[in-house]
Amino acid sequence: DAGVIQSPRHEVTEMGQEVTLRCKPISGHDYLFWYRQTMMRGLELLIYFNNNVPIDDSGMPEDRFSAKMPNASFSTLKIQPSEPRDSAVYFCASSPGLAGVTGELFFGEGSRLTVL
Amino acid sequence: AQKVTQAQTEISVVEKEDVTLDCVYETRDTTYYLFWYKQPPSGELVFLIRRNSFDEQNEISGRYSWNFQKSTSSFNFTITASQVVDSAVYFCALGNQAGTALIFGKGTTLSVSS
Repeated sequence: DAGVIQSPRHEVTEMGQEVTLRCKPISGHDYLFWYRQTMMRGLELLIYFNNNVPIDDSGMPEDRFSAKMPNASFSTLKIQPSEPRDSAVYFCASSPGLAGVTGELFFGEGSRLTVL
Repeated sequence: AQKVTQAQTEISVVEKEDVTLDCVYETRDTTYYLFWYKQPPSGELVFLIRRNSFDEQNEISGRYSWNFQKSTSSFNFTITASQVVDSAVYFCALGNQAGTALIFGKGTTLSVSS
């Protein structure tokens, strides 16, 4: 079975540009998560969805960040406008159930974003 | 609020040394779950262990062992006789209150040299 698929793997953009990161979760998984990894902050939970509905977006840094999940097989994380401090690796992950109980969290390979 | 603290940012050891990675957590829940993950240089996160709050038995798996102490809110991870392949970022995590997501610490980068 295919794992979590993210695109692009690498993105280099200039400050002020819009960035869209994409994720296809594992089929049948009810939960989808967006995490951001930086050296300073480690692995931060940005937002997660259950059955395509956003449940907790308290980790989204500011209004420049938005995430959508129009259907069970696709999600986007958008940054508009982007800033250099947004440079990070963005991970999408999916889970079949209560990841906070089971630890069953399947990560994609990440999208490395560099904002110049 | 749930919080995980990994105070050690980076640790460097020489092969065959034992090393302990510290993890301290904060939660008001009486039932909770703790985890350790490994992130090798390739980037993917690998699940290592799960522990629930009612099970304080220490666990050993090969060269890996975990010490869970509720009294100090700690869940430390020890690698015995470290090897170069153990070089990675190690994350401690705590399940959120709803049990639906994981809250990770900042991670500890372990470098094992030969």
